[in-house]
Amino acid sequence: SQKIEQNSEALNIQEGKTATLTCNYTNYSPAYLQWYRQDPGRGPVFLLLIRENEKEKRKERLKVTFDTTLKQSLFHITASQPADSATYLCALVREGSQGNLIFGKGTKLSVKP
Amino acid sequence: DTAVSQTPKYLVTQMGNDKSIKCEQNLGHDTMYWYKQDSKKFLKIMFSYNNKELIINETVPNRFSPKSPDKAHLNLHINSLELGDSAVYFCASSPRLASGTSTGELFFGEGSRLTVL
Repeated sequence: SQKIEQNSEALNIQEGKTATLTCNYTNYSPAYLQWYRQDPGRGPVFLLLIRENEKEKRKERLKVTFDTTLKQSLFHITASQPADSATYLCALVREGSQGNLIFGKGTKLSVKP
Repeated sequence: DTAVSQTPKYLVTQMGNDKSIKCEQNLGHDTMYWYKQDSKKFLKIMFSYNNKELIINETVPNRFSPKSPDKAHLNLHINSLELGDSAVYFCASSPRLASGTSTGELFFGEGSRLTVL
């Protein structure tokens, strides 16, 4: 069955470093993948979407890559700041389904000053 | 101007009771969803509606009944509440129904934390 996995539950890094989060999926070839940010007690907020024919997408200090051969997306935050501390979720549409956006369990990022 | 608003934000109730959570979006979106986030923070889809029509019902017990009176509203009614229903319930909307080719980035509400005692 189709699976989406974010291998690291938590990632701790120093301010100014680049944070790299991983999202892997199996048994599926999604046309696109999305990334969201969730702060404690808040709803997830959409950040970026990358399509299968796009190798890389950037938005300010954020960069997302999509490797359809490895079935993996990497989410990078450059020059990280304590304000970037949050849980980051990847999501994709379940194969053969409409409206069924499934989420990974998320990686909790902590940026220490 | 809240885009997706859901009420109440907190709900504490006894087992066996019936409760409702309301959701409204002012974004003009066609599609609305209910997600459940459990204690392990796993976000799982429950229902999806497109233009008031039920699209997805993900193995949710019959005690959960969504109602969409119009495109801007999707309410969730829960009968005979059980301890395992305790979770945060998120309403979301998207401009269009997400599919294999059509992107549908979600806009989430702030969540309704349900505690069943």
